Amino acid sequence: DGGITQSPKYLFRKEGQNVTLSCEQNLNHDAMYWYRQDPGQGLRLIYYSQIVNDFQKGDIAEGYSVSREKKESFPLTVTSAQKNPTAFYLCASSIEKAWNQPQHFGDGTRLSIL
Amino acid sequence: EDQVTQSPEALRLQEGESSSLNCSYTVSGLRGLFWYRQDPGKGPEFLFTLYSAGEEKEKERLKATLTKKESFLHITAPKPEDSATYLCAVQAKRGYSTLTFGKGTMLLVSP
Repeated sequence: DGGITQSPKYLFRKEGQNVTLSCEQNLNHDAMYWYRQDPGQGLRLIYYSQIVNDFQKGDIAEGYSVSREKKESFPLTVTSAQKNPTAFYLCASSIEKAWNQPQHFGDGTRLSIL
Repeated sequence: EDQVTQSPEALRLQEGESSSLNCSYTVSGLRGLFWYRQDPGKGPEFLFTLYSAGEEKEKERLKATLTKKESFLHITAPKPEDSATYLCAVQAKRGYSTLTFGKGTMLLVSP
């Protein structure tokens, strides 16, 4: 089945620690995205990538980093500089060349602070 | 700046009681408006894309409509399994435009 796989489902971070969230897709999509969702808030864009080896900051990129070395993979690192990392993180992908196409989402990673 | 406002924030319905969810938007040229359904602890699931005013899309008990300022998601004779949070997002026409999401409407359908 084609889809987007996020792992782990739950993640705990200690103070001062960097953690990496995994996102893999087998939809052959060019574009990938990371969002953060907080209770009662809309999805906020952290980073996005239209093509391998290229990515752009979204609205709330501070304290986060990404890489896009392979088309299928777009990992997100939550660094110690992110002072309020507790949230639900969602990865999405879409066909970049066909505008108006919807983004498809994984089932998220819930990050909490120990 | 693109903006999306969804109302109500929460809605409780009895099974079979039809209603509508609203998504008001401000965008400098609409490329597309998207509706998603999100179950607790899951990622959003795509429902519809609407491109121009007057357009309508249907899927089972759901029908989405679009005007120049807002979109409605009509739910006809809802069932408990329709309970979820419904998200609306817009994409603007300028360049490579990302999505702007509303905060969602949490729908609870009681048997």
